[in-house]
Amino acid sequence: AQKVTQAQTEISVVEKEDVTLDCVYETRDTTYYLFWYKQPPSGELVFLIRRNSFDEQNEISGRYSWNFQKSTSSFNFTITASQVVDSAVYFCALRLGYSTLTFGKGTMLLVSP
Amino acid sequence: DTEVTQTPKHLVMGMTNKKSLKCEQHMGHRAMYWYKQKAKKPPELMFVYSYEKLSINESVPSRFSPECPNSSLLNLHLHALQPEDSALYLCASSQTGGTNYGYTFGSGTRLTVV
Repeated sequence: AQKVTQAQTEISVVEKEDVTLDCVYETRDTTYYLFWYKQPPSGELVFLIRRNSFDEQNEISGRYSWNFQKSTSSFNFTITASQVVDSAVYFCALRLGYSTLTFGKGTMLLVSP
Repeated sequence: DTEVTQTPKHLVMGMTNKKSLKCEQHMGHRAMYWYKQKAKKPPELMFVYSYEKLSINESVPSRFSPECPNSSLLNLHLHALQPEDSALYLCASSQTGGTNYGYTFGSGTRLTVV
C-alpha cells in the first residue's frame, strides 16, 4: 500500500518570504512517480511537476524548486519570494505502476501582502 | 489544446432531479477519471475509464452513473442524490501505457444538492 503525508495543514506567510511545503511518501515499490499539484480557489488542479523514482536530481522552475530525497522518502516543494497569487492548496501525489494517483491531504498556503 | 473542459461549472439540484455532468478533452488521452472532492479534503477517485471501458469503480453508489460515449467525452449521470453528495466533481485525463504521466484536471463542477 502507498501513502502520502503532508503534515502541514496550513501555512501563512507574508509576501516575499520563502516557504517550504513538506511531502513524505511510503511505498515498497522501486518504481514510482511523484507529483505536485496546485489548487487555487477556482478549483482546478494545476500540474506543477512530475518526478520519477530514478531521478533524484532537484529541479528549479522560476521561483519554484523541488528537493527529492529517496533516503528520507521526501519530495519537498519550496517557493522563493512568495506572492499573493501563490495562495492555494498544494497537493503532493504518488503513482505506482499502472495504479491511480494517491494524494496527500494537502497544504493550504496563505500569502498575505 | 491542453485542456479538460467541464460543464456546468455550478449545479444546484433537488434530491429527486436527474442531471448530468460533462467532461471533454481533445488531447488524445485514452484514460479518463471522475473524482469527488469535499471541502478541505483531497480528491477521492470515483471511476476510471480506459479506452472507453470502465476499469475502476471505487464502490460508488449507483445514484452516480458514469458513461464514456467516445474517447473525448466522459459523462456522470446523477439521480436521487443526497445532500452529502454536495461537492466539487473533478474530471481528469491522462495518457495510458506510460505510468510517468500526470493527470490533466478540469476546473470541476461545484454541485449542491438541496
